[in-house]
Amino acid sequence: TQLLEQSPQFLSIQEGENLTVYCNSSSVFSSLQWYRQEPGEGPVLLVTVVTGGEVKKLKRLTFQFGDARKDSSLHITAAQPGDTGLYLCAGGSIGAGGTSYGKLTFGQGTILTVHP
Amino acid sequence: GAVVSQHPSRVICKSGTSVKIECRSLDFQATTMFWYRQFPKQSLMLMATSNEGSKATYEQGVEKDKFLINHASLTLSTLTVTSAHPEDSSFYICSARYGGHYEQYFGPGTRLTVT
Repeated sequence: TQLLEQSPQFLSIQEGENLTVYCNSSSVFSSLQWYRQEPGEGPVLLVTVVTGGEVKKLKRLTFQFGDARKDSSLHITAAQPGDTGLYLCAGGSIGAGGTSYGKLTFGQGTILTVHP
Repeated sequence: GAVVSQHPSRVICKSGTSVKIECRSLDFQATTMFWYRQFPKQSLMLMATSNEGSKATYEQGVEKDKFLINHASLTLSTLTVTSAHPEDSSFYICSARYGGHYEQYFGPGTRLTVT
């Protein structure tokens, strides 16, 4: 069973601060997705990383996939109240027989609150 | 693109009745659809994986006779909660993926309350 450890579980910061969320595993993933979810809504895909060492930027958000494809991080610069939400990392696995059936292993989630 | 809808968004039912939740991919054909359950302020828990035209694969601990999944077409999957009880009250979310793509695209979720 693949596990993805996400930390921290809760993060409460002031507007303008920087933060980093981590996802770690002992398993190798074919891909790593980051989602953001607001209360009462479904998760929204932020980014997908597939190559070890890959770095992607989305405005103030920077995503990194570890060289061994076992870990990932999300860094937010100058956080804003609009960044408040539940952040989820999810690792993609390869199905049996080499076919990719797309099952995701989710981390526990990070509840981010950015205070004005 | 990659829009997934769910219906209904909220449903309240009495204990012992059955409830059907629909999940549709609106602008793509979904090779695979997934059903998740989520408790407040927690991550998603995968219930089952379904491919069009074949039986769903349920995760360990999920009762297949209680949570009936039908994936009748490449754009529609349904989850029926049979003989619902208050402990089945939860937020149910579906997702869909297509082709060899890594990503799953999520629906807006359905809040089920069993009284």
